[in-house]
Amino acid sequence: DTAVSQTPKYLVTQMGNDKSIKCEQNLGHDTMYWYKQDSKKFLKIMFSYNNKELIINETVPNRFSPKSPDKAHLNLHINSLELGDSAVYFCASSQGMGGDSPLHFGNGTRLTVT
Amino acid sequence: RKEVEQDPGPFNVPEGATVAFNCTYSNSASQSFFWYRQDCRKEPKLLMSVYSSGNEDGRFTAQLNRASQYISLLIRDSKLSDSATYLCVVTPTGANNLFFGTGTRLTVIP
Repeated sequence: DTAVSQTPKYLVTQMGNDKSIKCEQNLGHDTMYWYKQDSKKFLKIMFSYNNKELIINETVPNRFSPKSPDKAHLNLHINSLELGDSAVYFCASSQGMGGDSPLHFGNGTRLTVT
Repeated sequence: RKEVEQDPGPFNVPEGATVAFNCTYSNSASQSFFWYRQDCRKEPKLLMSVYSSGNEDGRFTAQLNRASQYISLLIRDSKLSDSATYLCVVTPTGANNLFFGTGTRLTVIP
């Protein structure tokens, strides 16, 4: 009965590689997000999609490209990985779009770039 | 200035103690407020929403002070299982996303 699931849970890769993280939610929510949590534990939004449409695109390098094939899925592709990309990436979903609805998070993908 | 600021702690309290955290926000027109809990190496989970009139859920009480632009979380009769990082979350009016504080770390000691 997993609500928001993301894969893989751990990702170790070398600089310069391209990798993807997948996320799926079975809550019927309209909005999905990608958050990055750095080593100082600060959670910062990267992207938000509402019904497959991009609504938030924070200042993120264009090496990061989200893709939402349908409202239940939001994947994140990262090109030319850099050391500074090492972090935990959380996918989340919410019922509404305006920040009034609480977020449901996936269990995170711990990315380590060597 | 950050949207949301919290004392990072750590707060180390004995079992059974009462502990309170405050969180300040910069946008006076903020409309939604939440407290999340994050255990070590886990995802954040909603603890409770914060309503204008204040709200209580068992040992947890959340309050909003709009005049001073802060929200608080009070935990009574602390349990070992309350040890976690507590994240304050705010949505400014008109924003489409939630802003997270850096979290306050609580350790309840036997």
